Amino acid sequence: DTAVSQTPKYLVTQMGNDKSIKCEQNLGHDTMYWYKQDSKKFLKIMFSYNNKELIINETVPNRFSPKSPDKAHLNLHINSLELGDSAVYFCASSRTSGGAETQYFGPGTRLLVL
Amino acid sequence: DAKTTQPNSMESNEEEPVHLPCNHSTISGTDYIHWYRQLPSQGPEYVIHGLTSNVNNRMASLAIAEDRKSSTLILHRATLRDAAVYYCITNQAGTALIFGKGTTLSVSS
Repeated sequence: DTAVSQTPKYLVTQMGNDKSIKCEQNLGHDTMYWYKQDSKKFLKIMFSYNNKELIINETVPNRFSPKSPDKAHLNLHINSLELGDSAVYFCASSRTSGGAETQYFGPGTRLLVL
Repeated sequence: DAKTTQPNSMESNEEEPVHLPCNHSTISGTDYIHWYRQLPSQGPEYVIHGLTSNVNNRMASLAIAEDRKSSTLILHRATLRDAAVYYCITNQAGTALIFGKGTTLSVSS
């Protein structure tokens, strides 16, 4: 069984569209994250939720809105997509938000905005 | 910004040990040291973490300097599958992992 899964794996869309990426973890973890990896391969935290509550919200345009319907899911909705949003988006989870907790990453969603 | 410094790249031969260095001179007393790696076209994968003492697990060993300003990830016998970008990260409890550029490890047969 896949611990952290993301759908879709690939997403190609036009500028201005709205799209969602879904993430699910079956590890029973309390904390989930969204990271963005750009073309230069830098991996940056975007959001983190603990028990469905937002605990980390980095400087991300408000076109990005995370939603956590339950502890096992953290979805990312992106409005009015721009060329610069093209990147690989990784979801991750950890048992808690503590500093020593291991984060388990999903396989990534490759978003290409044309 | 990442609070660690790593070499951009390193090379190794299969079956040989690999020592990946990391400097974290501004580390605080409560910061953990984490190592993750990212294989091509995959998400990051946990390797090992520690606080003050050296750590061993089935994947690697982590040697932490006495002053904690540097650490070394040790892969005891490199395999082709170990070719990846290795990230050294320090963080405090409750804060996010800040990934730097990492070290790209190449392994030759």
